[in-house]
Amino acid sequence: EPEVTQTPSHQVTQMGQEVILRCVPISNHLYFYWYRQILGQKVEFLVSFYNNEISEKSEIFDDQFSVERPDGSNFTLKIRSTKLEDSAMYFCASSEYSNTEAFFGQGTRLTVV
Amino acid sequence: AQSVAQPEDQVNVAEGNPLTVKCTYSVSGNPYLFWYVQYPNRGLQFLLKYITGDNLVKGSYGFEAEFNKSQTSFHLKKPSALVSDSALYFCAVRDPYSGAGSYQLTFGKGTKLSVIP
Repeated sequence: EPEVTQTPSHQVTQMGQEVILRCVPISNHLYFYWYRQILGQKVEFLVSFYNNEISEKSEIFDDQFSVERPDGSNFTLKIRSTKLEDSAMYFCASSEYSNTEAFFGQGTRLTVV
Repeated sequence: AQSVAQPEDQVNVAEGNPLTVKCTYSVSGNPYLFWYVQYPNRGLQFLLKYITGDNLVKGSYGFEAEFNKSQTSFHLKKPSALVSDSALYFCAVRDPYSGAGSYQLTFGKGTKLSVIP
């Protein structure tokens, strides 16, 4: 069964450093998303991406964040200068169409120290 | 703005008994509704969805949910719980009519289901 894969599973970084979280969405999917879940809190929407551009972003997704689809398979989330409060589980998701369910990856646990 | 409420932090049920995990939502238009399950140290796994049509939707692993527009609810149910159903369950809503690019899912805070042998 096709699945969304994310790497790495766990990343530890120092405050102020840049991190790139990587995702390979399901191959025939057209819509891509990033969500995050701070420990013990709700899953929160960050950004959606379609047709090589951001279609929607939340207030969390400020200038420190960016997304890219550098080739036909990868979808990345970059945090330019990490803060302690960026520590969370980051989930990538994809959906075939805008009205179909999103499939989530296993997540990358980001720890900023 | 769209929102989801899961009023119970935890639901305990005996194995073999029916289970219900509650969800209510608020959107301006007609919602898209989803249930996801999260096992420890795992991602979110899709269970079922309501987009349109029959109010009773069936999903994976014997789960079902009923869309009730008048009560703005989408409760998750299963006739006979298994110990392996123990996990964290999330209800999510999307309002496709809220404006351009309204793709985001809004999640509830989750309900921990414990099925007791």
